Amino acid sequence: RKEVEQDPGPFNVPEGATVAFNCTYSNSASQSFFWYRQDCRKEPKLLMSVYSSGNEDGRFTAQLNRASQYISLLIRDSKLSDSATYLCVVTHAGNNRKLIWGLGTSLAVNP
Amino acid sequence: EAGVTQFPSHSVIEKGQTVTLRCDPISGHDNLYWYRRVMGKEIKFLLHFVKESKQDESGMPNNRFLAERTGGTYSTLKVQPAELEDSGVYFCASSHSYDFYEQYFGPGTRLTVT
Repeated sequence: RKEVEQDPGPFNVPEGATVAFNCTYSNSASQSFFWYRQDCRKEPKLLMSVYSSGNEDGRFTAQLNRASQYISLLIRDSKLSDSATYLCVVTHAGNNRKLIWGLGTSLAVNP
Repeated sequence: EAGVTQFPSHSVIEKGQTVTLRCDPISGHDNLYWYRRVMGKEIKFLLHFVKESKQDESGMPNNRFLAERTGGTYSTLKVQPAELEDSGVYFCASSHSYDFYEQYFGPGTRLTVT
């Protein structure tokens, strides 16, 4: 079983739609949680950290449910430029600099 | 501020040959990481340097891989001898000591072993 599981998609949505991605992690000792974004054939870039209280950055909202070992990312009012792969990433308490990655969820926002 | 740079961007070598990948982190970043993505698989951690010291090399696949960071600046990752399964994209990342959660990634080196 993979340590970080994501639905690979692809998710195809029209501009302006709201889309949600989910991620589950298997290690209850996971400590820190992130969403990274990766454009085609580019490097991953940090989109946002995820906190237990939930956090919002503009059109993006991330939630963490430690009891269910579940992380989500909500994108509101999708833009064409949001088309990318969204990677769920966790770290462990024993080594919080070693990023453990999901396979990613592919999003295509269509005009 | 210049980003993380990697060289070469692409490399095609034959099985059994040697390849050396280079990473220049963002100036002032003590932490340097190597990751690899094999096609169809998730990105995997290889190792982590703090300055010139290997902090964690638990992800290194086998002893055909050798990473160095002499002087605590740039790093090299040598694969010798290369095998077919080494093909993939090798990413380097760096981060501050005080804000290590945000790792800044280089564009990657796409390695193809034929």
